Amino acid sequence: SQQGEEDPQALSIQEGENATMNCSYKTSINNLQWYRQNSGRGLVHLILIRSNEREKHSGRLRVTLDTSKKSSSLLITASRAADTASYFCAPGSARQLTFGSGTQLTVLP
Amino acid sequence: DGGITQSPKYLFRKEGQNVTLSCEQNLNHDAMYWYRQDPGQGLRLIYYSQIVNDFQKGDIAEGYSVSREKKESFPLTVTSAQKNPTAFYLCASSLGRAARSEAFFGQGTRLTVV
Repeated sequence: SQQGEEDPQALSIQEGENATMNCSYKTSINNLQWYRQNSGRGLVHLILIRSNEREKHSGRLRVTLDTSKKSSSLLITASRAADTASYFCAPGSARQLTFGSGTQLTVLP
Repeated sequence: DGGITQSPKYLFRKEGQNVTLSCEQNLNHDAMYWYRQDPGQGLRLIYYSQIVNDFQKGDIAEGYSVSREKKESFPLTVTSAQKNPTAFYLCASSLGRAARSEAFFGQGTRLTVV
């Protein structure tokens, strides 16, 4: 099954800084989604980027997709303590929605 | 309000018992999924269903069973054959064909074997 691998596994930054997380995958995709999980909670959808798109913005989030390199990045600008969470990418194949181990982001006040 | 509801939030199971985790959605979604999450780990797919009366095994289906008799409901049974069931279980649903649209997650059920 298609599964994204997020990098780094953990990231710690100061409030106000930007945070960048990367995702690599192995096979062709229709889209790629990013999700966020606060500790002990369900996942919340952040953004979906289709395979024919290269960049997408949503508020303080910027996602890029490079299908030739089979990689995506999630940039969170002007981070806040409330952004502390785990972030997962989900490369979209035809039938399944699968996830990697995530990036644990800690934003220090 | 529309959404996806998992119950119970916490569940304790004795060794050798079967337990069933509930997942209900009123979003009119065709696809539903069950995932397992262990501490500090990502999500692993247990089962998924694209449509009523049909479901497919995910990566770690052994020791689990599901049914999809109604569009709104996708219960997961953790059987005694699952040797290490203590984990956080998440249910999700999405509109239409899997992975083509946003998935909505429940708040999870934390299962502990005592």
